[in-house]
Amino acid sequence: QSALTQPRSVSGSPGQSVTISCTGTSSDVGGYNYVSWYQQHPGKAPKLMIYDVSKRPSGVPDRFSGSKSVNTASLTISGLQAEDEADYYCCSYAGSFNWVFGGGTKLTVL
Amino acid sequence: EVQLVESGGGLVQPGGSLRLSCAASGFTVSGNYMSWVRLAPGKGLEWVSIIYTGGGTFYADSVKGRFTISRDNSKNTLYLQMNSLRAEDTAVYYCAREMGFSGLDVWGQGTTVTVSS
Repeated sequence: QSALTQPRSVSGSPGQSVTISCTGTSSDVGGYNYVSWYQQHPGKAPKLMIYDVSKRPSGVPDRFSGSKSVNTASLTISGLQAEDEADYYCCSYAGSFNWVFGGGTKLTVL
Repeated sequence: EVQLVESGGGLVQPGGSLRLSCAASGFTVSGNYMSWVRLAPGKGLEWVSIIYTGGGTFYADSVKGRFTISRDNSKNTLYLQMNSLRAEDTAVYYCAREMGFSGLDVWGQGTTVTVSS
């Protein structure tokens, strides 16, 4: 199972919006509505930000939103804040009781 | 408080074995799907294994036949037995609670495994 494709890095200024893409195939992202997104600060555990493509867990700001089109999922962060600077990973169920993560995207807040 | 605490990581030689533990509090491992995920140096997250409430277990191809996931309900603890370790298994290993197929909502702090001679 190949990793999902994410941009290595994205950046934006405080207050701006950024979108991180996550491209898979019809066997994973395109085949199931089980895409999740995780935020990871250096040395910390990952934190669930989005599940089931577009649902936000309790406590996650509504500045974070998720969507999907065919085989590509996206995470959009609006109103960027300094504390949003982190690594972001997408993940998709890939069938046959397997999951696949993306390679990760480093978000820099300028 | 819902919490996961991993332990058992360390330095091991190639071909060696290690058992990781993940103690849960605030919920039962037996009543939830539980996964192991790892983060290798300079790489992205990688799903490793899952154990279902019914006891079914599944593994990534990269560890199949070498790693075994299990749980002790009386201790409310998840385990990962790792045998025939390779350099490429070097990573921080996290245990996490899986919400069905939807996502991993509770994570431990991670335990570091280094495979080197």
